[in-house]
Amino acid sequence: GNSVTQMEGPVTLSEEAFLTINCTYTATGYPSLFWYVQYPGEGLQLLLKATKADDKGSNKGFEATYRKETTSFHLEKGSVQVSDSAVYFCALSDLSGGSYIPTFGRGTSLIVHP
Amino acid sequence: EAGVTQSPTHLIKTRGQQATLRCSPISGHTSVYWYQQALGLGLQFLLWYDEGEERNRGNFPPRFSGRQFPNYSSELNVNALELEDSALYLCASSLSAGALSSYNEQFFGPGTRLTVL
Repeated sequence: GNSVTQMEGPVTLSEEAFLTINCTYTATGYPSLFWYVQYPGEGLQLLLKATKADDKGSNKGFEATYRKETTSFHLEKGSVQVSDSAVYFCALSDLSGGSYIPTFGRGTSLIVHP
Repeated sequence: EAGVTQSPTHLIKTRGQQATLRCSPISGHTSVYWYQQALGLGLQFLLWYDEGEERNRGNFPPRFSGRQFPNYSSELNVNALELEDSALYLCASSLSAGALSSYNEQFFGPGTRLTVL
């Protein structure tokens, strides 16, 4: 079956620091990959996505590259802000099992201090 | 445009009782998904409704059930509540899955926090 593994948090950084949140996956098919963000008290929002190998998804200064050879989709940002404090979820979706229901990782909490 | 709404925000029940959670999708969306977000476990897929029918079900016991109404809003019912049912329940909506030809982006509501005492 499909699975997503994320680094455990919390990740605590100072403002303007470089961020990496690791994500690796296993999938029976050829998945699309996603990062979602959940701000305190809110639902999940799609942050970025990539649908094929070597694609780079990007949004709001965040980037992630679909690496098929290492089955990874690590999230990076060059300079984090306090407002980036949230929980980040890596997810995949493919047609295995007959539907595109996404599989989510457990989430990584990011705390950014001024 | 209004996003996905869920009610109630918080729900407190005792073991053995029943809980009903409600979700209104974004206008024009016909697919509704339910997820359980238990502490430390990420999101676990519960149910998917599309065009009024249950399309897929996650690995949860039958006491988790639901339905989708003609206006595409949805209810999640949890019978015979157990302590481990305490979690944040998230609803998401998307455009119709159609022939499952692609992934349609899901838009999430803020969730209902269910506490079972």
